[in-house]
Amino acid sequence: AQSVTQLDSQVPVFEEAPVELRCNYSSSVSVYLFWYVQYPNQGLQLLLKYLSGSTLVKGINGFEAEFNKSQTSFHLRKPSVHISDTAEYFCAGNTGGFKTIFGAGTRLFVKA
Amino acid sequence: SQTIHQWPATLVQPVGSPLSLECTVEGTSNPNLYWYRQAAGRGLQLLFYSVGIGQISSEVPQNLSASRPQDRQFILSSKKLLLSDSGFYLCALELAGEPDTQYFGPGTRLTVL
Repeated sequence: AQSVTQLDSQVPVFEEAPVELRCNYSSSVSVYLFWYVQYPNQGLQLLLKYLSGSTLVKGINGFEAEFNKSQTSFHLRKPSVHISDTAEYFCAGNTGGFKTIFGAGTRLFVKA
Repeated sequence: SQTIHQWPATLVQPVGSPLSLECTVEGTSNPNLYWYRQAAGRGLQLLFYSVGIGQISSEVPQNLSASRPQDRQFILSSKKLLLSDSGFYLCALELAGEPDTQYFGPGTRLTVL
């Protein structure tokens, strides 16, 4: 069975500090992995995705994520966050079918 | 590029009333379409998906239904709403040339009282 686990429900961080949002997946087959961001009362916006190839994936807004097969992780990172990065972040996985599995979300709160 | 519209943006309905939420797509043809529900403070629950006109797959048995009368139109309905139907409803699409990557609409906030 496939599952996606986001290890932190909330992450508070000061502006200009680095941040890492953790995501682990469970799958017995090859998996495609995604990070989405959701601002209040809006839909989800794709940040980045890993399908194959280089394990370091760069996305929009300065975010990047690294696929680690041995640790079954796909953590999202940003070296310096801004107030505007305050939002909820969702990790998701798909094994090639119609069903994408989403994590429960991590709320990133950037403080001045 | 593709655009997803959802209507209405917000809705307050009494228990037992009917529901119709609409999702329309512009800028692409023959997308896979999805309905998700997001309860307060929780992740996304897949409700329905459609790979073409008239083709609907249900993921969760409940009092909701979906229809796809046109290639770029996806409708979520209910005959009688329950309190537990409250939530944020999101329509999403997958492009034919970009499988497994989902693009989301702005959502509809439904409150059932």
